[in-house]
Amino acid sequence: GENVEQHPSTLSVQEGDSAVIKCTYSDSASNYFPWYKQELGKGPQLIIDIRSNVGEKKDQRIAVTLNKTAKHFSLHITETQPEDSAVYFCAASGGWAAGNKLTFGGGTRVLVKP
Amino acid sequence: DGGITQSPKYLFRKEGQNVTLSCEQNLNHDAMYWYRQDPGQGLRLIYYSQIVNDFQKGDIAEGYSVSREKKESFPLTVTSAQKNPTAFYLCASRRPGTSGETQYFGPGTRLLVL
Repeated sequence: GENVEQHPSTLSVQEGDSAVIKCTYSDSASNYFPWYKQELGKGPQLIIDIRSNVGEKKDQRIAVTLNKTAKHFSLHITETQPEDSAVYFCAASGGWAAGNKLTFGGGTRVLVKP
Repeated sequence: DGGITQSPKYLFRKEGQNVTLSCEQNLNHDAMYWYRQDPGQGLRLIYYSQIVNDFQKGDIAEGYSVSREKKESFPLTVTSAQKNPTAFYLCASRRPGTSGETQYFGPGTRLLVL
């Protein structure tokens, strides 16, 4: 089955700096890659996603890049703010044939210091 | 949390007791999913259902059971066979279609063993 590795497990940045989280996946058939933000005691919220036919996607301060050949994708947060502090998860999905199941990385705890 | 409700927010289980976690959605989504999250870790798939009256085991189904009698509801029972049930349980749903793989999560239920 699919295996997703996420690094780093914790990330501390100064407010205004950029944060980068990297994920690798094992199944070359995976074609959908969402990123979720989880605040303490709450359910994960989708912040951005990318499909395998796209190399990069941006939404204001957030961007995701995908390298299908190397089987890795990354989340970039620019101009970080204290409210960006949370746990971020990457995930990979193999589509309908795989039941649209998501396999999650282990998470990255991001702390933005004011 | 986009129309997905989970109840209760906290649940306490005694030794040998079965408990049922509720998940309801009013998004008209076909597929629903149950995940388990342990402290400091990612989400692991317990069960999923792509249509009414059908469901499949995920990666950690032992000690759990589900039913899908209605499109809106996907309850999860934690049986006495689950020896380490303390965790945060998350329900998710996904809109119809093979291209819409985005999963939306509920607020979660925290299960504690007395």
